[in-house]
Amino acid sequence: RKEVEQDPGPFNVPEGATVAFNCTYSNSASQSFFWYRQDCRKEPKLLMSVYSSGNEDGRFTAQLNRASQYISLLIRDSKLSDSATYLCVVNGVDSSYKLIFGSGTRLLVRP
Amino acid sequence: GAVVSQHPSRVICKSGTSVKIECRSLDFQATTMFWYRQFPKQSLMLMATSNEGSKATYEQGVEKDKFLINHASLTLSTLTVTSAHPEDSSFYICSALRDLNTEAFFGQGTRLTVV
Repeated sequence: RKEVEQDPGPFNVPEGATVAFNCTYSNSASQSFFWYRQDCRKEPKLLMSVYSSGNEDGRFTAQLNRASQYISLLIRDSKLSDSATYLCVVNGVDSSYKLIFGSGTRLLVRP
Repeated sequence: GAVVSQHPSRVICKSGTSVKIECRSLDFQATTMFWYRQFPKQSLMLMATSNEGSKATYEQGVEKDKFLINHASLTLSTLTVTSAHPEDSSFYICSALRDLNTEAFFGQGTRLTVV
C-alpha cells in the first residue's frame, strides 16, 4: 500500500462547481498534513496546511479525519485558474522526518 | 512565504558527465532539505533527506554514489548527478524546512536533459 494515495483524476468540472478531493495515508503516527498545488512544469506551492479542527481559506476548505486516516480538500465556486494538480502531503514517520507526496489529483475547470 | 532558490533552472549535459544542482534557503535557516525527482506526468518522488552537517538519508532504490548530496550549511544543499545518463533526465526539485511539522518551501526546480 502506498504511504499517501490520491485519485489521479482528472476531475473535469464547469466554472462555479464545487469539487472535493480525498487523500488517504497509511501511517497513523503522521502529524503534519498539507495540500499543495502544482501547475504544469512548475514547483509545488503550498495551498494550505490541514489542522485537526479543519480549516478554511476563502473558497478552500481542508478537513482531517484521523480515525479513517484521510484528508480532504473542498473547492467551492471553481475558477478557471484553479486548474492544476493538487498534491496531498503527509509527514513520514521513520528514522528521519520527511514529507511524502501523493501522486496528485488533476483538476480541469472548463468555461 | 520563505524563499528557496534553486540553480540552474535548466541544464543540458552530455552522457557521462556530472551535474551539480544548488538549493539555497535565502531568508531562513533550513534544518532539513529534501531532494525530489519528477518524471513527466508522475508525482514527486523523494530521493533523499539531508540535514546540515550529517550524511543524507536516501530512499530505497536511490543510489547514493550516483546522487551525491552535500548539506554544507543551514542555507545550502547540493545534489550532484554523477556520470549522468539519458534515463537521469528529469525534473529535480529541492525543498527546505524551517522547522519540523511546518510546511516545506520549494525551489523552482531544475530540468535536466542528458544527451
